[in-house]
Amino acid sequence: AQSVSQHNHHVILSEAASLELGCNYSYGGTVNLFWYVQYPGQHLQLLLKYFSGDPLVKGIKGFEAEFIKSKFSFNLRKPSVQWSDTAEYFCAVIPISNDYKLSFGAGTTVTVRA
Amino acid sequence: EPEVTQTPSHQVTQMGQEVILRCVPISNHLYFYWYRQILGQKVEFLVSFYNNEISEKSEIFDDQFSVERPDGSNFTLKIRSTKLEDSAMYFCASSGGSQDTQYFGPGTRLTVL
Repeated sequence: AQSVSQHNHHVILSEAASLELGCNYSYGGTVNLFWYVQYPGQHLQLLLKYFSGDPLVKGIKGFEAEFIKSKFSFNLRKPSVQWSDTAEYFCAVIPISNDYKLSFGAGTTVTVRA
Repeated sequence: EPEVTQTPSHQVTQMGQEVILRCVPISNHLYFYWYRQILGQKVEFLVSFYNNEISEKSEIFDDQFSVERPDGSNFTLKIRSTKLEDSAMYFCASSGGSQDTQYFGPGTRLTVL
């Protein structure tokens, strides 16, 4: 079964710092990749997704992610975070097969200090 | 922008009782899902539903669980006899295609006492 690993459990940084969250998955076939964000008290929202094409994808709120197939990675980045980026971030994968389910990473809590 | 909605936002029940969690998926979506997140743990897949039948289910989704689309808009998750370990946040999601983006509802926090 596929699994998704997020390297950091909790990241604390100051406003204007750069953010990079690691995500690796274990699945040999073609996958669709997602980053979801959950702001405090809110539901899971899609930040960005990769299906095919340019491996560098841009999402909402200045986030981007790069798919590196050889490393089975889909790391999330933001050059300059804001206090409002405080949230939990989830990487998720769905194989292009008969699977229907999203497999989630454990999530990374990001705390941005003003 | 269309959203997935869920009711109730919080449900408290006694062990052994039946609960029904309700979801209204996005109207033109064809695939529906339930996930759950036990406090401090990963979001876990429970079941997917397409064309009025279950298309995939996890090991968690045992005989105590069932899903239904009773009309053209609602999608429900029933737990027949709740256990303490069923306490979790339950998320409904829907998508237009089978591997397409899944849009999540706000969740129902189920507390089993």
